[in-house]
Amino acid sequence: DGGITQSPKYLFRKEGQNVTLSCEQNLNHDAMYWYRQDPGQGLRLIYYSQIVNDFQKGDIAEGYSVSREKKESFPLTVTSAQKNPTAFYLCASSPGPSVRRTEAFFGQGTRLTVV
Amino acid sequence: GDSVTQMEGPVTLSEEAFLTINCTYTATGYPSLFWYVQYPGEGLQLLLKATKADDKGSNKGFEATYRKETTSFHLEKGSVQVSDSAVYFCALSVSDRGSTLGRLYFGRGTQLTVWP
Repeated sequence: DGGITQSPKYLFRKEGQNVTLSCEQNLNHDAMYWYRQDPGQGLRLIYYSQIVNDFQKGDIAEGYSVSREKKESFPLTVTSAQKNPTAFYLCASSPGPSVRRTEAFFGQGTRLTVV
Repeated sequence: GDSVTQMEGPVTLSEEAFLTINCTYTATGYPSLFWYVQYPGEGLQLLLKATKADDKGSNKGFEATYRKETTSFHLEKGSVQVSDSAVYFCALSVSDRGSTLGRLYFGRGTQLTVWP
């Protein structure tokens, strides 16, 4: 079945450590996104990529990094510079700007907790 | 800039009650509008969408009409069920500008709880 796979579902990190969240899609979508969700704040865009080897900062990129070496994969690294990393992280994909007016498809999310 | 303002919750209803969740938007281009639903501990699922003015999206008894004159996309359901309990997000996507092509702007979400 086509879809978006995020792993792991739960992740615990010690303060001061970097951690990488995985996101893989087999929908042949060009565009991929990372969102952060906190209670009462909705979804905030961290980074997005519309094509392989290219990505742009979203609204809250500080303390995060991404790469887009393959069309299927868009990993997110939460660095030690991110002051408050505990949150629910959602990855999404969409066909891309060449296909207008289409929705995004979401993974099941990764809950990151800093201990 | 582009944004979505969504009715704040939580909303608590009895089974079979009528549901309305208000959503208004601001967009400089020609947005597509979406409602997503999130069940506990899961990602978001598309509930319905409308891509141009006066379009009505519908799915699973939910409906929303794209009203350009009032810049609104209110979600309605005539008779809610316990299984509809979830968080609902209104979102827009602007498809006609530069580097922000296709990105989604979300409202803050509305928690709906339906009691039997």
